[in-house]
Amino acid sequence: GAVVSQHPSWVICKSGTSVKIECRSLDFQATTMFWYRQFPKQSLMLMATSNEGSKATYEQGVEKDKFLINHASLTLSTLTVTSAHPEDSSFYICSARPQGVVGPQHFGDGTRLSIL
Amino acid sequence: DQQVKQNSPSLSVQEGRISILNCDYTNSMFDYFLWYKKYPAEGPTFLISISSIKDKNEDGRFTVFLNKSAKHLSLHIVPSQPGDSAVYFCAATSGAGSYQLTFGKGTKLSVIP
Repeated sequence: GAVVSQHPSWVICKSGTSVKIECRSLDFQATTMFWYRQFPKQSLMLMATSNEGSKATYEQGVEKDKFLINHASLTLSTLTVTSAHPEDSSFYICSARPQGVVGPQHFGDGTRLSIL
Repeated sequence: DQQVKQNSPSLSVQEGRISILNCDYTNSMFDYFLWYKKYPAEGPTFLISISSIKDKNEDGRFTVFLNKSAKHLSLHIVPSQPGDSAVYFCAATSGAGSYQLTFGKGTKLSVIP
C-alpha cells in the first residue's frame, strides 16, 4: 500500500529556532501533498497544500512566511517552521495520494514539535 | 463554522459488542466521506470510505452508513475488539478525486475487555 514517511517524529528545541520537517512518499509520486496541524483534542486543520514545482497554497490565517513549504520533487515536501515560538508547539502531519489515483489520502506518522 | 461534526468526543463499548460512531455534515457539496483511525503520536490510518451514490459500504467488521437527506453518516464496528481503541476521525470532501479533506474533531473509542 501507499506509504508516507515523515521525519523527524519528535522535535524539542529552543524558542527562535527554525525547524524543518520532511514528508516523503515512499512508493508513489505525488504532485500534491498536504500539511495539517492538530492541537490536543482538536481536529486536523489543513495548513497548506504543497504543489510540486510551484508555490504552496496556504489556508486562511496561516502565515506563509512563518511556515515555509518546499516541494522540490514528486516524492518530497518540506515544512520549515521559522523562528519557532512556544505557541507553534503542535502535532504536524503531512498527507499525500498517488498521482492520478482516486481514493483516500495517506498520512505520515506526524511530527510532535515542542518549543521551549 | 464546523462543516463536519462529531458530537461525541468519547465512547466506551464492551468487547464483542457493536460500536457506533456518528458524524454529521453541513456542506451539501460533500459527496465522498472517509473514516480514519488514529493512535496517539501516529498519523491517521484510512479505514473505510463511502461515496454519496451509495448508502452503505462494508469491509469486514467495519460498515459505514450514509443518510444523505439527514447529512449523517455512521461507522459501525462489530464485534468490537480492544485493538479498536483509538480516535476515529470522520472526513469529507467534494469529489473522490478531490484532495482537500475536512475533518471532524474525532471520537475516542475505548473497547473494554
